[in-house]
Formats: sequence, structure tokens, C-alpha cells
Amino acid sequence: LAKTTQPISMDSYEGQEVNITCSHNNIATNDYITWYQQFPSQGPRFIIQGYKTKVTNEVASLFIPADRKSSTLSLPRVSLSDTAVYYCLVGDRDSSYKLIFGSGTRLLVRP
Amino acid sequence: GAGVSQSPSNKVTEKGKDVELRCDPISGHTALYWYRQRLGQGLEFLIYFQGNSAPDKSGLPSDRFSAERTGESVSTLTIQRTQQEDSAVYLCASSSYLYTDTQYFGPGTRLTVL
Repeated sequence: LAKTTQPISMDSYEGQEVNITCSHNNIATNDYITWYQQFPSQGPRFIIQGYKTKVTNEVASLFIPADRKSSTLSLPRVSLSDTAVYYCLVGDRDSSYKLIFGSGTRLLVRP
Repeated sequence: GAGVSQSPSNKVTEKGKDVELRCDPISGHTALYWYRQRLGQGLEFLIYFQGNSAPDKSGLPSDRFSAERTGESVSTLTIQRTQQEDSAVYLCASSSYLYTDTQYFGPGTRLTVL
């Protein structure tokens, strides 16, 4: 399984755009990149998934460069409620039922 | 519709006692997963069910841990002779089919072993 590396923590202020970058140097051809969000005392929640280039949904955007060795989760205009831990996962879609979560990035949004 | 539910939300037990943790998946979801999350850490995969069968039990930490699922619905995770290192949040997730990394998680059961 590809190993991912994320910053341990990030600070931001309300209304700012936050970009969290994940490194996955050993990503395989069949691997997808998935991001989950976890609030305190809750289970993780799926945010976004992509394979290459850019993916956007109502919550976030995911930027993946051509070499796919990293990816960036972009949260536009964060609010206090975006304070959470964000996990980057990389895995083959056909065997990705066993989600491998690292320590994630703890995002703190300040007023 | 209803999400994944787990009970109890909190469980405090004494070392050596057995505990049962329950998970009710989203109706119609054939795949069900158990994870463990220690304080301040990421998730550890324990076991998954496809229907009522559990093809992959590789994540179970020891033979004190077991799980079953009946009627392609409710699942129970049982920990026998609990130890202090079993203290963690136990999370259950379900998905509409197995080969997906989009899983829907419950709120978890916080287990404290004294």
C-alpha cells in the first residue's frame, strides 16, 4: 500500500482558503486518492476522491499533478465548523475496502 | 435516511470482563467494517463482512476479539477478557458494496477498560 505523508497540523482563519497537501511517492497506477474528514467524537466522513487532474464537489476541490506523487485538498472560505482532522488515503479501488488511515492533519480554524 | 448507528456510545468495564459492541449499518448495505481508533491516532482496520461472511479477519488484534453478523444487518464485535490496551473508540462503517473506499461511519463506541 502506498504510504502517505501529511502535515500534522495547520492553522487558519475564517474565510480563508486552506490547502492541505499529501505526499504519496509510491502511488500505483490503479490507486485512487481519497480524503476523509473527522470531527471530534464522530466517525470519519468521505469528502472527495480523484485519480488525476482536478476534482470539485460542493465541499472541496482536489488537485492532483501529472506525476500523481502528491495531492492537495482545497477548502474554500473555511468556517469554524471546518475544524477537524483530515485524512488522505491512497489505494487500489478493487482492494480498498481496508481503509488505511494515518494520523491525518489537524486543522484549526480561528475566528 | 438513517445512518450507521452503534451502541452503546460509551462503555466502561473492568479488566478481564467481556464486552459486546453493536453496529446497525445503513439498510441495504451489504458490506460492513470494524475499525479501532486509539486516542489521537488514525484508524486501524479490524475486520469486514460481505453479507454475513468475514473473509478477512487479519486485523483482529488477538483471539480475544471476534465478530459476527446476522441477517446481513446487525453486527456484534465481542472482546473477551478485556485488557487496558483495548481502550479505544471502536468504529463501524458500511457501504453499498465491498469494493469501494466510500464508507459511511457510525459515531463509534468509546470503550474504557479500568
